[in-house]
Amino acid sequence: QSALTQPASVSGSPGQSITISCTGTSSDVGYYNLVSWYQQHPGKAPKLMIYEVTRRPSGVSNRFSGSKSGNTASLTISGLQPEDEGDYFCCSYTTNREVMFGGGTKVTVL
Amino acid sequence: EVQLVESGGGLVQPGRSLRLSCAASGFTFDNNAMHWVRQAPGEGLEWVSGITWNSAGITYADSVKGRFTISRDNAKKSLYLQMNSLRPEDTALYYCAKDMGGDDIWDAFNIWGQGTMVTVSS
Repeated sequence: QSALTQPASVSGSPGQSITISCTGTSSDVGYYNLVSWYQQHPGKAPKLMIYEVTRRPSGVSNRFSGSKSGNTASLTISGLQPEDEGDYFCCSYTTNREVMFGGGTKVTVL
Repeated sequence: EVQLVESGGGLVQPGRSLRLSCAASGFTFDNNAMHWVRQAPGEGLEWVSGITWNSAGITYADSVKGRFTISRDNAKKSLYLQMNSLRPEDTALYYCAKDMGGDDIWDAFNIWGQGTMVTVSS
């Protein structure tokens, strides 16, 4: 199976909103509401930002939100801040009882 | 403090074996499924394997199926990954991660360790 498809990079100015897409298939993103998003800063472990498509773990800023339409999930970061720079990975459970990650998106705050 | 600490990584020759360990603390280990996720240098995340809270459900990525074995010891609050027939393409930082659920419908990974590096090279 191929990785979920994400844009390689997305950028925005402080205060703006950006959206990262994550395209899968009817066997993963489109089948289950088990899409999650992770933020990773250089040299650090990934951090869970969104789970089950739209849910936010305790302690994660409400500037982060998730959604899904068909086989594509999205992560939106509102009010972009410098500390939001980093790599973002989407993830989905699949009908093969596996987990699939996206290739990752580098977010740059201009 | 909720914590996962991996160990056992190192430099190993192709074809040899290595066993990774992950020690959990700060949460009820036997409530949750656990996973191994790896990241090759400069690359993205790749899920390796998952195991349910009671070890009844186990799945692997195709890239490691038949070579890697995941296991856990709830009494010791530990997760393991036995890696056999290692290949250069297995070179990566291996993370241990806690699933938000306990069964084999793998959910999200809400706790991660800092990883242990495995380098496969002659």
